[in-house]
Amino acid sequence: DTGVSQNPRHKITKRGQNVTFRCDPISEHNRLYWYRQTLGQGPEFLTYFQNEAQLEKSRLLSDRFSAERPKGSFSTLEIQRTEQGDSAMYLCASSFRGHGNTGELFFGEGSRLTVL
Amino acid sequence: TQLLEQSPQFLSIQEGENLTVYCNSSSVFSSLQWYRQEPGEGPVLLVTVVTGGEVKKLKRLTFQFGDARKDSSLHITAAQTGDTGLYLCSGYSGGYQKVTFGIGTKLQVIP
Repeated sequence: DTGVSQNPRHKITKRGQNVTFRCDPISEHNRLYWYRQTLGQGPEFLTYFQNEAQLEKSRLLSDRFSAERPKGSFSTLEIQRTEQGDSAMYLCASSFRGHGNTGELFFGEGSRLTVL
Repeated sequence: TQLLEQSPQFLSIQEGENLTVYCNSSSVFSSLQWYRQEPGEGPVLLVTVVTGGEVKKLKRLTFQFGDARKDSSLHITAAQTGDTGLYLCSGYSGGYQKVTFGIGTKLQVIP
């Protein structure tokens, strides 16, 4: 396993269109996180899953955003009716929750969204 | 809400100089991580500190966790151009089971 994989790496779309990003975590990791990062800022938490259960969703996340992890493996993040303010890097990370978990996250390379 | 403040936000230094960046919070964390991120890429984990007062060294990088587990510092000795990047700290609270990131310190090392 080579790490967390995200695709597409870049997506350019017109305002109002829907976009979907996919994340394949490290295979033995049971936790999966989505973050959003804009230029000059640190990653902003969006949501996370433990196996297939979505355990927390940021209150900053509008109803246009939805994430799934149907079989506890890969995850998708969909943004409906995109707005220019959605332009950002969307980062996926995975970790293993178990004895001795220290909160270390392993990130993918990110999916950069540009909304025109 | 657990907040992590990083300082300075921007740092530009000459190759060979030393530097220290800081990560502070009013919250206590179970552990704290430092990551380095290059433009267009995801953050890469550098180190995890768990015990209050802990010091870890990674070649020219020295990481320290505060005694109260609320703050941390990263010291780079003899900076190299390859150290250029965004340095992020994150705090993990086992109770909340959430990882919170600081805004980052953008470091530029000039040849």
